[in-house]
Order: sequence, then C-alpha cells, then structure tokens
Amino acid sequence: DTGVSQDPRHKITKRGQNVTFRCDPISEHNRLYWYRQTLGQGPEFLTYFQNEAQLEKSRLLSDRFSAERPKGSFSTLEIQRTEQGDSAMYLCASSSRDRTLIYGYTFGSGTRLTVV
Amino acid sequence: EDKVVQSPLSLVVHEGDTVTLNCSYEVTNFRSLLWYKQEKKAPTFLFMLTSSGIEKKSGRLSSILDKKELFSILNITATQTGDSAVYLCAVARAGGTSYGKLTFGQGTILTVHP
Repeated sequence: DTGVSQDPRHKITKRGQNVTFRCDPISEHNRLYWYRQTLGQGPEFLTYFQNEAQLEKSRLLSDRFSAERPKGSFSTLEIQRTEQGDSAMYLCASSSRDRTLIYGYTFGSGTRLTVV
Repeated sequence: EDKVVQSPLSLVVHEGDTVTLNCSYEVTNFRSLLWYKQEKKAPTFLFMLTSSGIEKKSGRLSSILDKKELFSILNITATQTGDSAVYLCAVARAGGTSYGKLTFGQGTILTVHP
C-alpha cells in the first residue's frame, strides 16, 4: 500500500491561467474522489469516479473545472481561467467498496493552489 | 442538503487533560459517521461508526454515535502534544451514486500545550 500520491504539492499561478493536478490512487482501489479544502473549513466534495466513470459532480464544480480518469487508474483535475477564489488545498482520496465500508477512504497529501 | 456541525471550533488544553469533541449531523439516508485527524496535510482515518450506542476505542481515543439524536462525540483522554491537530467529522450516505461521498464539518482545532 504505497498510499495516494498527488502532484504537484504546491502550485502558484496567475489569475486567468489554466492548471492541472494529478492524483495516483492506491493501485487496487477502483473509487477516486476529489475534494477542495479552504482555510478553516472541512473538505468539500467535488467529484467521484468509479473506475473510469464519473458518477457524481458537485454544484461547486463550475464549468471551469473538469476531471478525468481515462483508464480507471490516475485522475487529473483541470481548472481553466483560474480565479483567486480557486485558491485552496485540492485533496484526492481513493477506496475500494469493501474498504469504504470499514475504513472510509485514504487521502493524499493534497495540492495547494495559490492564485495571485 | 447534508449538514455537519462541529463544536467547539477550537480548544486549548494542557497535557493530561481530557477533551470531548462534538459532532451533530443531518443527512438523507445515513450510512456512517467518520472521524479524521488532520495535522498538516492529509486527513488520517480514526473511526467509522454505523451503529448507535457502540463505542469504538483506539488507545486514548474513543467515539460513540447516537443515531436518535443525530450526534457523535470523540473523547481523548490524557492528551499529549502530539494530539494537536484539526479533528474532522464527516457523514456518508448509503447507496446510489452518492455511495462513499462524505460531507465534512468545519473541524475542531485542538491545541495541547506541554
């Protein structure tokens, strides 16, 4: 169990630029989740994949946000035309159905995005 | 819309003290309540509770769920400086495409002084 890996760890970008984050889940986990966490708040759900299928998207995920998991393994989260309000920690988590029933799921260390 | 409220929002104690963190929730089709500890980056799993009245324990930490009152508490006895962290409570729905999706509270910031 090598854990959930996220890249990059930090990203500073200018307003209006596009950014892309990557998440590599634990290899045998078929479920992958993206959350966003701002300072002083708990994580907020963004979207969820089971294998390559995107099963649910939050209303928080505006049309500037898109997520993919093309082969059911790693996932990318892209933000287009970034705004200062997008500054946050973007957390990825993964699980299998059986594991979710017992342990919830495993989070990665996150990508901290700062939009200047 | 699902809702999770934690209290207090922050707590400062000295080593050796006992603390109780609170979590109340409203969720459609409840499946489970989870507690996580977040120190710097990734939240790490503490407990998952699905049945009312059954205490889960791990060392100095324990938690219990009251499904009638829609409430859970997390107790930490004999606190240590290493317990300083944000403690997050989350609820999960049962079934459908929302399976596994968590709704988190704001968290309780616990600071333990030596």
